[in-house]
Formats: sequence, structure tokens, C-alpha cells
Amino acid sequence: AQSVAQPEDQVNVAEGNPLTVKCTYSVSGNPYLFWYVQYPNRGLQFLLKYITGDNLVKGSYGFEAEFNKSQTSFHLKKPSALVSDSALYFCAVREPGLTGGGNKLTFGTGTQLKVEL
Amino acid sequence: NAGVTQTPKFRILKIGQSMTLQCAQDMNHNYMYWYRQDPGMGLKLIYYSVGAGITDKGEVPNGYNVSRSTTEDFPLRLELAAPSQTSVYFCASSRALAGGADTQYFGPGTRLTVL
Repeated sequence: AQSVAQPEDQVNVAEGNPLTVKCTYSVSGNPYLFWYVQYPNRGLQFLLKYITGDNLVKGSYGFEAEFNKSQTSFHLKKPSALVSDSALYFCAVREPGLTGGGNKLTFGTGTQLKVEL
Repeated sequence: NAGVTQTPKFRILKIGQSMTLQCAQDMNHNYMYWYRQDPGMGLKLIYYSVGAGITDKGEVPNGYNVSRSTTEDFPLRLELAAPSQTSVYFCASSRALAGGADTQYFGPGTRLTVL
């Protein structure tokens, strides 16, 4: 069964500093990995995904994520944080090749990012 | 392109009442999903559909029902509302790419309180 863990409930970072939001996963084969962001009282917005190829994936709003197969991780990063990046971030995993199932995603519990001046 | 739309935005129900949460998408996506989001729990899949007339249970289907008569619409029905169904409900859709590489796109959510 596929699963994903976000070990930090909250990450605090000063504006202008780099940020990292951690995600580890567990699947039987090669994973498809996703990051979403949720601003207060809004739905989830897609940031980026890893399907195959280059381990460094670039996404929206200057975010990127690095796929590390040996560590089963897919950490979200940004070189310089903005106050407006403050939001709830979700990592999600899908195990490709499963028959049926509607391409279901399994989500982590979310990490609250707080960027302060 | 409106994407995924959900109505209502907010609703308060009394225990035992029923209601239908509406979801529509205009992207011609085959796959649609209903999730609930509870604090600190992430998103849990309630039901999903791979096309009109085809639905299946997700992780937490008890107390809910769905139907999919058209590609565009995927309503979620709550029968006999209970306080445990107090949550934020999200609908999502995706294009059903071969191999599962599709991205799910989410609606703005419905905040439901059962008192």
C-alpha cells in the first residue's frame, strides 16, 4: 500500500531564507509524487509533480522539489521564502501501474509553513 | 474555464438531516473524487468515479453516497448527518492519463457543520 509522511507539523522560516518542507513516501515500485499548497479557506492548488526523469522538479511560484530514491524522499524547497508563501503544504503519492482505482492519491497530513519578516 | 466548482460554500445541518454537496467540472475530466479534510489528518478519499455511471468507495465511505450521471457532475449525498461528518469537503477531477501521471485539480471546498 502506498503511504506518505510529512514529519513536521509546522516549519518556521524568516523571509529571504531558504525553506524546506519534508516528505517521505512508501510504495512498492517507482512513485509518482505531488506537492499541493492550500491557502486559508481555499482549495488545494497544484505546485509540482515528479513522474520520471530529472530528480529536480521545478514548479509554480519558485518552488522546486528533489526526488531521492535511496532516501524515499521528495522534499519541497525554495531558495528565498516570502511571507506570502505562508500556507499549508501537502505531499501526495501514487503508485503507478495499479489496475483500476481511478489513479487515487494518498496525502500526507500537511505541514504549516510560516514565513515571518 | 471555471475548473472545479462546489456548492454550497458553507452549510450547517442538524443531526439526522440530509443534504447533497454539488460538484461540477468543465474540463471534460473522466476521473472525479470526493475528499474530506479534518485538522491534522490530511485528506481522506470518500468516493471516486472513473466515468459516468461508474463509482467506487474510497477510504471513508460510510455515511455517504454518490452518483455520476454525467461527465461534468459528481454530487455527494449525506444521509442522516452525524457530528462526525463535520468537516471540509473537497471535490477534485483529473484527466485519467495512461499510467496514472495525471494531476488532480481541486474545487474551493464546502465547510459543513453538523450540530
